[in-house]
Amino acid sequence: GESVGLHLPTLSVQEGDNSIINCAYSNSASDYFIWYKQESGKGPQFIIDIRSNMDKRQGQRVTVLLNKTVKHLSLQIAATQPGDSAVYFCAERGGGYQKVTFGTGTKLQVIP
Amino acid sequence: DSGVTQTPKHLITATGQRVTLRCSPRSGDLSVYWYQQSLDQGLQFLIQYYNGEERAKGNILERFSAQQFPDLHSELNLSSLELGDSALYFCASSVDTTGELFFGEGSRLTVL
Repeated sequence: GESVGLHLPTLSVQEGDNSIINCAYSNSASDYFIWYKQESGKGPQFIIDIRSNMDKRQGQRVTVLLNKTVKHLSLQIAATQPGDSAVYFCAERGGGYQKVTFGTGTKLQVIP
Repeated sequence: DSGVTQTPKHLITATGQRVTLRCSPRSGDLSVYWYQQSLDQGLQFLIQYYNGEERAKGNILERFSAQQFPDLHSELNLSSLELGDSALYFCASSVDTTGELFFGEGSRLTVL
């Protein structure tokens, strides 16, 4: 497979450090938010989601924070590993329309 | 493996031509989504179907059309192709209109 050469913001972190990827969303009516990981040559893969009635949700090594006041979403990855290197997308589902809209994406590079 | 199958994986064609991309959703999923991923646009939502009916429409060009068949597979038809249509086209499926999206590996279209 091939990767799409997107002109993305890049976050470089040292292996073992924590990573924080940020996302601003646009639709105040969005009621569901998702983080996806896309590795080179593959389709986006679900990481974690959060509904608008929550402000924090934790998974295995990942935490999503939602700040509805400023329409901001973040993904925290603990103890970042080389396998975490990928493009990360936030996505929002607009209330009532069900379509899922993706953000621009952030490329995470893990330095061994 | 997400369970979503897309064919063909790669397709090279000429301007003015027409192509059909096919998607088989995960077993049991009723909803199918199409996305376009190009260099400067990220993941752009095209269209969503639920159980054979169109549910949401995004920035899909008039030259593009899609449908979901009774067996729930979906096809995306791209006609009068232009150079700018070169992109990765992803299909995703979900159980219903509110669930997690599972993505296929994509169809890479190159228009020469």
